[in-house]
Amino acid sequence: GQNIDQPTEMTATEGAIVQINCTYQTSGFNGLFWYQQHAGEAPTFLSYNVLDGLEEKGRFSSFLSRSKGYSYLLLKELQMKDSASYLCAVFPHGGATNKLIFGTGTLLAVQP
Amino acid sequence: DSGVTQTPKHLITATGQRVTLRCSPRSGDLSVYWYQQSLDQGLQFLIQYYNGEERAKGNILERFSAQQFPDLHSELNLSSLELGDSALYFCASSAGTSGGNNEQFFGPGTRLTVL
Repeated sequence: GQNIDQPTEMTATEGAIVQINCTYQTSGFNGLFWYQQHAGEAPTFLSYNVLDGLEEKGRFSSFLSRSKGYSYLLLKELQMKDSASYLCAVFPHGGATNKLIFGTGTLLAVQP
Repeated sequence: DSGVTQTPKHLITATGQRVTLRCSPRSGDLSVYWYQQSLDQGLQFLIQYYNGEERAKGNILERFSAQQFPDLHSELNLSSLELGDSALYFCASSAGTSGGNNEQFFGPGTRLTVL
């Protein structure tokens, strides 16, 4: 089966750093995505990892360890607008399909 | 703005009815995906089309069907609606159909309420 686990909720302070973890067990692995979703809005792409290591993109970084089935999203210099749900999604298959398996998301609340 | 459009934005209907949700992908994108997002669940993949052909199926009920037309827009048909079908329905598009870095761009969603 396919399983992706993330914490349900997290709280952090404006200006701080927060790390959101994601573990996965899938039938295959061909990449991991992080998306940001504000309430009632569409998910928007944040990052993509397919090889082990850290990908940095401004205030956001994403890390992947394929051997551990583990990823994290690191958000630095938190801003109030970062309050949102963060979705971890795995692309388990190669070839002819782009089917993504999503976790249930981590709701991050940034407090002043 | 992702470039993916969905209509209608909101839809309220009764149990037993049938509705059609429409999606236009980003210009140049050949793949279209449909997702369902309920309050207590994450995004659930329903179905994918590529250039008019079905490519992958997820947790899509038999009461639901979809198609992609020659102009690449897609429609998701939901019939014999039940209360539990109330959800946000997202359409996403991507340029191709293979490769893990084929980023999916999401539309604004259609909020379906079944009364």
